[in-house]
Amino acid sequence: EVQLVQSGTEVKKPEESLKISCTASGYNFNTYWIGWVRQMPGKGLEWMGIIYPGDSDTKYSPSFQGQVTISADKSITTAYLQWSSLKASDTAMYYCARQRGSGYSAFDSWGHGTLVTVSS
Amino acid sequence: EIVLTQSPGSLSLSPGERVTLSCRASQSVSSTYLAWYQQKPGQAPRLLIYGASSRPTGIPDRFSGSGSGTDFTLTIRRLEPEDFAVYYCQHYGSSQTFGQGTKVEIK
Repeated sequence: EVQLVQSGTEVKKPEESLKISCTASGYNFNTYWIGWVRQMPGKGLEWMGIIYPGDSDTKYSPSFQGQVTISADKSITTAYLQWSSLKASDTAMYYCARQRGSGYSAFDSWGHGTLVTVSS
Repeated sequence: EIVLTQSPGSLSLSPGERVTLSCRASQSVSSTYLAWYQQKPGQAPRLLIYGASSRPTGIPDRFSGSGSGTDFTLTIRRLEPEDFAVYYCQHYGSSQTFGQGTKVEIK
């Protein structure tokens, strides 16, 4: 069974850094794209970017390029989303999700989400 | 960058009714790379349709997808109480994006 387990709720202050995680199990982590999706309070889904853990090829939405960093550690089958300097507007639920095929595919398995609150 | 526009923004329906949701792309996209998701309050999204018309294992056959080019639809043949949710389309080619969502509410 494919499982994506995300790290817990975070409460941070503006300008702080943050790295949230998504630990995968039940499949070959190296051969499926895994991505991050933002959902701001009461709003829709926003595609942030994806990474192919096998070779760390990473693609970002233009809206998020330079704002976040997506990475992966194959040795512990974990993907990460990090910020170097948080803003209040980063307050949102963040989901990781696996793409179902070896190429570009729909997200067939999702984590439960990590709630990030940024407030002074 | 491809923009997906969903319509309507919301609709109120009764159980048993048929519903058709629209997703229009700003430029032609391959149907291979079009998906639909369902999201209920407090839950992660769930994949309903991929490749514009294929259902993953476990998705009821009352859900169907169709379309090509710039116009795609998700049809729910007979609404069940558990189908009241927000529905999103997604393009997942080399550039990826979601539509803004359609909320299906109980009338």
